[in-house]
Amino acid sequence: QKEVEQDPGPLSVPEGAIVSLNCTYSNSAFQYFMWYRQYSRKGPELLMYTYSSGNKEDGRFTAQVDKSSKYISLFIRDSQPSDSATYLCATDSGGYQKVTFGTGTKLQVIP
Amino acid sequence: DSGVTQTPKHLITATGQRVTLRCSPRSGDLSVYWYQQSLDQGLQFLIQYYNGEERAKGNILERFSAQQFPDLHSELNLSSLELGDSALYFCASSAGQVTNEKLFFGSGTQLSVL
Repeated sequence: QKEVEQDPGPLSVPEGAIVSLNCTYSNSAFQYFMWYRQYSRKGPELLMYTYSSGNKEDGRFTAQVDKSSKYISLFIRDSQPSDSATYLCATDSGGYQKVTFGTGTKLQVIP
Repeated sequence: DSGVTQTPKHLITATGQRVTLRCSPRSGDLSVYWYQQSLDQGLQFLIQYYNGEERAKGNILERFSAQQFPDLHSELNLSSLELGDSALYFCASSAGQVTNEKLFFGSGTQLSVL
């Protein structure tokens, strides 16, 4: 079993839709939770970063962490064609430990 | 532009060969990380260096090695290459040495082993 599980998609939505992307993780030691966006043929770039449980909002993006169920989510409001990319969730227990990534969900926003 | 530079962008080689991938971190960043990305395994952490010293090791094969030089650039050496080593290799950098810091990724090196 992978430490971080993510539905690979692809997920296609019309422009303006609310998008929900989700991950589950198995290691209760994970405390830091991140979402990265990766455009085709580019490196991942950090979108959202949260510590422990709760919500964090940044513009059209909201990250949500539920440590009791080991579930992390990213919501995108008013989705745009420029949001079309692969979204990777990532977790880390802190210290010198490696960041563990999900396999990514490919999102396509159709104009 | 993340500020992390990786060369070459593409590399095509044959099985059994050895290649070197190069990474220059963002100005001021002391940590360099190497990741391997394949379709079935996703982004896999290989190794981290901080200011020239190895800090953390992930799923790195014995045929692979890395180092970070005094000018902070890093090289990933892949030897006795196999078909399964074909993947996108990313370098990332961060300011410090704890891995919950923001990582800045380069554009990657696409390795094709034929």
